[in-house]
Amino acid sequence: QKEVEQNSGPLSVPEGAIASLNCTYSDRGSQSFFWYRQYSGKSPELIMSIYSNGDKEDGRFTAQLNKASQYVSLLIRDSQPSDSATYLCALNPSSYKLIFGSGTRLLVRP
Amino acid sequence: ETGVTQTPRHLVMGMTNKKSLKCEQHLGHNAMYWYKQSAKKPLELMFVYNFKEQTENNSVPSRFSPECPNSSHLFLHLHTLQPEDSALYLCASSQEAAGETQYFGPGTRLLVL
Repeated sequence: QKEVEQNSGPLSVPEGAIASLNCTYSDRGSQSFFWYRQYSGKSPELIMSIYSNGDKEDGRFTAQLNKASQYVSLLIRDSQPSDSATYLCALNPSSYKLIFGSGTRLLVRP
Repeated sequence: ETGVTQTPRHLVMGMTNKKSLKCEQHLGHNAMYWYKQSAKKPLELMFVYNFKEQTENNSVPSRFSPECPNSSHLFLHLHTLQPEDSALYLCASSQEAAGETQYFGPGTRLLVL
């Protein structure tokens, strides 16, 4: 089992819809969780971090963490074509480094 | 522009060349990282430096040689690379190497001929 699993996509949603991106992980000791966005040919940029169970909202983005079920998700409300990118889930599996998933490609159709 | 800069942004080199990638962070962080990102593969951690000391070498071939002269600068020296080393090389930094938020530079797109 991979340490961090994401559906590669593409996930296609119409403009204005809610995009839901999911990530599961194997190490129950993971404490820190991150969502990064990466446009084609660019470097990853941090969207959100989450450390506690529950929801964390920042503008159109909501991160959800459920440690018991070992998943973290990212919801994007009112999706825009500019949100089209690859979204990387990353976590800290009880060590000093981050482990990244392979990413989910999101396509927002105008 | 982010607080992490990388030069050059693009590099083409032959298998017998020697080149260096440079990374500089202006965030006052103490940890710096090198990652490799190949097409359709997850980010691969290569090296971690925490307070100028190397704390992780993720089974990287010796043709990649890192150098961290201080907490703000990180180099990756390249020699006798192979075509499969062609990739995007990303530098990142964080406050400390403790699973904290990492901030990435723009990357160096490397092509080995």
